Amino acid sequence: DAGITQSPRHKVTETGTPVTLRCHQTENHRYMYWYRQDPGHGLRLIHYSYGVKDTDKGEVSDGYSVSRSKTEDFLLTLESATSSQTSVYFCAISETPGTGGAWLGEQYFGPGTRLTVT
Amino acid sequence: TQLLEQSPQFLSIQEGENLTVYCNSSSVFSSLQWYRQEPGEGPVLLVTVVTGGEVKKLKRLTFQFGDARKDSSLHITAAQTGDTGLYLCAGRFSGSARQLTFGSGTQLTVLP
Repeated sequence: DAGITQSPRHKVTETGTPVTLRCHQTENHRYMYWYRQDPGHGLRLIHYSYGVKDTDKGEVSDGYSVSRSKTEDFLLTLESATSSQTSVYFCAISETPGTGGAWLGEQYFGPGTRLTVT
Repeated sequence: TQLLEQSPQFLSIQEGENLTVYCNSSSVFSSLQWYRQEPGEGPVLLVTVVTGGEVKKLKRLTFQFGDARKDSSLHITAAQTGDTGLYLCAGRFSGSARQLTFGSGTQLTVLP
């Protein structure tokens, strides 16, 4: 199994409070992703990183920010949590593209963080 | 926004039956992946298909990529209760090489 951990695994917080979720990898992969998963919506990309200090927005980035100061860590912050951000959050990693051949971008997922905003 | 549609959304069958689930898009995929997710866990990669018309087999699971690379199917032969889970397809589209777009999934329940 790919070495990906997420913390915390469960969190309950109140509306308006800041929340930070952490993703840690031991695979030295270049790409890291944050998704949220809600019933009927599958996995939706929030933000991703293609290197240290290099990040970009995904489909549902409003209300979220990210930081990546080290290869192994990717942090997701909800500056002021809202009830609509109640969800299960998954981190994923993907290998660094090789110099030859097609990069498949296969992703390996962490165990998820269940966040409830009351 | 490029969309993936999966069908059916829910499927409940008896152990031993065969089934097929589908993944469709109006856009051409650079590559397509299938994942399986069990309750309380993250998705796990099953297979990646790249070439139009490609067929890959993983024990009782057969994955097919459409000739035009706009659709894919997953066929399970003689389903077992251990096949129960959420099956997700995810596609890479040209122009969005760093990202995957996920379908909403097919929730499969195999009854004993």
